Amino acid sequence: DTGVSQDPRHKITKRGQNVTFRCDPISEHNRLYWYRQTLGQGPEFLTYFQNEAQLEKSRLLSDRFSAERPKGSFSTLEIQRTEQGDSAMYLCASSSSTGPLNTEAFFGQGTRLTVV
Amino acid sequence: DAKTTQPPSMDCAEGRAANLPCNHSTISGNEYVYWYRQIHSQGPQYIIHGLKNNETNEMASLIITEDRKSSTLILPHATLRDTAVYYCIVRSYNTDKLIFGTGTRLQVFP
Repeated sequence: DTGVSQDPRHKITKRGQNVTFRCDPISEHNRLYWYRQTLGQGPEFLTYFQNEAQLEKSRLLSDRFSAERPKGSFSTLEIQRTEQGDSAMYLCASSSSTGPLNTEAFFGQGTRLTVV
Repeated sequence: DAKTTQPPSMDCAEGRAANLPCNHSTISGNEYVYWYRQIHSQGPQYIIHGLKNNETNEMASLIITEDRKSSTLILPHATLRDTAVYYCIVRSYNTDKLIFGTGTRLQVFP
């Protein structure tokens, strides 16, 4: 399968612990996005990369959150000192920029984080 | 990005056409209408997008009104597997992020 892959699918952690999620985009896609989704809501944009450059960050991305895409391929999203309010589904998506309009974004299955 | 308004939920009988409306009265000239859907516990899935002409693909048809202030996603023969939350999104051609609302929860029943 050459779709967007996220790992782990589920994560339970104690409040105050650090967690890291990984996203492997579709191989030829140069753009990668992170979203967060809470129950009953649509996904909320967090940040996106073009190749290894982080081009935009949402105000939702507090200083406890950091995302990297070191070689322009896979990306990691780390949450430090987790809080119960961080419990959500974290979605990764990728797309290709070809000309003035990107291709559509393809999403992974997400990582469901539960902070207890 | 322009805001969209969708009904929170809709029902549709299996085999019938599902018509999902979306209002985007503040859409501007360079903004596209995108539709995604999200089946329970999965990531959103792209369905279709358009600028001003009607569009059709293997999944659905998109009808955009002439003034572009509203659109309708049509699933011509709904199946139980089409049960999902459907999101209508207005996106500028030079914006990479998608701004999701709360969508329409479509329930297809036998």
